[in-house]
Amino acid sequence: GNSVTQMEGPVTLSEEAFLTINCTYTATGYPSLFWYVQYPGEGLQLLLKATKADDKGSNKGFEATYRKETTSFHLEKGSVQVSDSAVYFCALTPFGNEKLTFGTGTRLTIIP
Amino acid sequence: GAGVSQSPRYKVAKRGQDVALRCDPISGHVSLFWYQQALGQGPEFLTYFQNEAQLDKSGLPSDRFFAERPEGSVSTLKIQRTQQEDSAVYLCASSPDRVGNNEQFFGPGTRLTVL
Repeated sequence: GNSVTQMEGPVTLSEEAFLTINCTYTATGYPSLFWYVQYPGEGLQLLLKATKADDKGSNKGFEATYRKETTSFHLEKGSVQVSDSAVYFCALTPFGNEKLTFGTGTRLTIIP
Repeated sequence: GAGVSQSPRYKVAKRGQDVALRCDPISGHVSLFWYQQALGQGPEFLTYFQNEAQLDKSGLPSDRFFAERPEGSVSTLKIQRTQQEDSAVYLCASSPDRVGNNEQFFGPGTRLTVL
């Protein structure tokens, strides 16, 4: 079946540090890949997505590249801010299907 | 416009009680999803509607769980004879089109605690 494995947290970084949150997946065919973010007290919201191999999704300074050869979709940001503190979820939908499969989430805390 | 709303935001039930959780999707959104999120875990799929049709209910954990969307808009997730293992946050999401790979817009969730 489909599954997503992401870096365990919690992750604590200083402001302006470089961020990587690892995500790998298992799926048949060609899934679409997503990063969702949950800020404190808010609902899940889409951060970025990529729908085919070698696509790069980007938003708010975050980037992730769909790597089919390594079945990965690692999230990166060059310089994090305190406002990036949140829980980040990697997720996929199988081709032709809307059902999201999520990883367990990574809690990120940025300290000033 | 308004986002996805869910009510109640918090629900405490005694074991064995029935509960009903409501989801108001974004107006005009065709697809509606329910997910269950246990503490410290990612959301897990429960069921999916396209308009009023329930196309996938493979994630419902038992026959105590029932969902409906009779007019293709508001949806209700009902849990009968609640058990402690049903304690979780129940998330509703909607998306605008029946074609795949659309963004899902999530509501704030209903936190259910079964005592």
